[in-house]
Amino acid sequence: SYVLTQPPSVSVAPGKTARITCGGNNIGSKSVHWYQQKPGQAPVLVVYDDSDRPSGIPERFSGSNSGNTATLTISRVEAGDEADYYCQVWDSSSDHPAYVVFGGGTKLTVL
Amino acid sequence: QVQLQESGPGLVKPSQTLSLTCTVSGGSISSGGYYWSWIRQHPGKGLEWIGYIYYSGSTYYNPSLKSRVTISVDTSKNQFSLKLSSVTAADTAVYYCARGHVVVVAAILYFDYWGQGTLVTVSS
Repeated sequence: SYVLTQPPSVSVAPGKTARITCGGNNIGSKSVHWYQQKPGQAPVLVVYDDSDRPSGIPERFSGSNSGNTATLTISRVEAGDEADYYCQVWDSSSDHPAYVVFGGGTKLTVL
Repeated sequence: QVQLQESGPGLVKPSQTLSLTCTVSGGSISSGGYYWSWIRQHPGKGLEWIGYIYYSGSTYYNPSLKSRVTISVDTSKNQFSLKLSSVTAADTAVYYCARGHVVVVAAILYFDYWGQGTLVTVSS
C-alpha cells in the first residue's frame, strides 16, 4: 500500500516561514491535499490539488509537489496557525480500487 | 453551505456493532461528483480513512477494515451510515463523516466538508 511520510513536528517563530513535507514514492505524479486540524476540531482543507486554496484560506498557505516530496508552505506564520497538518492522496492503481491515504500528521509549533 | 452531522451511540460494548449516521444539509447527497466518506481518529493519533459511498450505492473500503465495515446511503433522507461489526477497544475513536470531492479522470479526491466528529468508546 502507498505510504505518506511526514515529520512529527515542525517549529517556527512568528512571522517566519514554515515548511511541512510529505514524502511518498513518486508523489509528484499524484494530487496532494493538505488539512489543518486544531485541538478538538474537525480537519479543515487548506490546500487541494497540490497548490490550490479553498475559498477563505489565506494566501499565506501554499503548496508544491515534485518528485518524491510534496510541501505545504505557511508564510508569515501566526500563533493561530499552530495545529496538526495532514497530507492526503487518492491512490489508484490497476491492482486495487482507489483508496484514500493520509500522512501521519505534523504538529506545527509556533515559538 | 453544506453541513454534515454525525449521530449515534457514544458507547458500544465489545463484540457488538457500531452504528453511526451522517445527515447532510445544504446540498443533495444525490449530486454527482462526491464520495460520502467516513474517517476516524484514534485518541491522540492521525486520520484513518474507513470508506466511502457514491449516491448510487457503490462502496469502497479501507482494506484493513473491509471485513467489518458496511456503508450505506439513504437518498430520501439525505443520509449515509456506517456499521462496524465485532468492535474492540481498538475501535475507540472520533468518527467523522466528510464529503469527498472527486474528479475521477484526474485521480483527485479531497474532503471539503467535514462533520464535527463524534467520539465512540468501546467498553463494557
